[in-house]
Amino acid sequence: EAQVTQNPRYLITVTGKKLTVTCSQNMNHEYMSWYRQDPGLGLRQIYYSMNVEVTDKGDVPEGYKVSRKEKRNFPLILESPSPNQTSLYFCASSLVAGNEQFFGPGTRLTVL
Amino acid sequence: GEDVEQSLFLSVREGDSSVINCTYTDSSSTYLYWYKQEPGAGLQLLTYIFSNMDMKQDQRLTVLLNKKDKHLSLRIADTQTGDSAIYFCAEPFTGGGNKLTFGTGTQLKVEL
Repeated sequence: EAQVTQNPRYLITVTGKKLTVTCSQNMNHEYMSWYRQDPGLGLRQIYYSMNVEVTDKGDVPEGYKVSRKEKRNFPLILESPSPNQTSLYFCASSLVAGNEQFFGPGTRLTVL
Repeated sequence: GEDVEQSLFLSVREGDSSVINCTYTDSSSTYLYWYKQEPGAGLQLLTYIFSNMDMKQDQRLTVLLNKKDKHLSLRIADTQTGDSAIYFCAEPFTGGGNKLTFGTGTQLKVEL
């Protein structure tokens, strides 16, 4: 089944404790993105990747890092999480830039 | 500009039609999308329309596009309780990268 998976689905952590949210797609898509969803703001792009080892900042990259060492995986790293990073995070992939994006199920992160 | 705007809430009775509206700013978008987010789930592509079309019908869904006014609407005929969800319109960001610019989302509540 073609899908985008994320882990964990739920995470509660404390300020400053490094964490990684994994994302994997099995559709051989070149493009992958991370978004955060906040009430009243819709989805905002954090980082995106156009291929292996090619990443770039989205609209709200501060406090986040990503890597793309393999085509299928695109982890999101929070080196020192802060409470304003409490949000719902979605990973997405697409075959072509600007085309339909396939979304993972989301990761709800709470930073205390 | 890349703002996409939607109203936040819509409440309808089961069996009535729902109309969700969206205004966008980038007139060069080739596609416009409607995504559906059910409670606790990720976003799923509901339908899309090419920018050279005025209307697209897909079973109970009708998408209308007014390019002059940069207005997109989604009509759901015979709305059911299972249609209760958040609906996002989205357009590809044409300024580079791989990003969809999302509206704030419209929460549709279907009442019996």
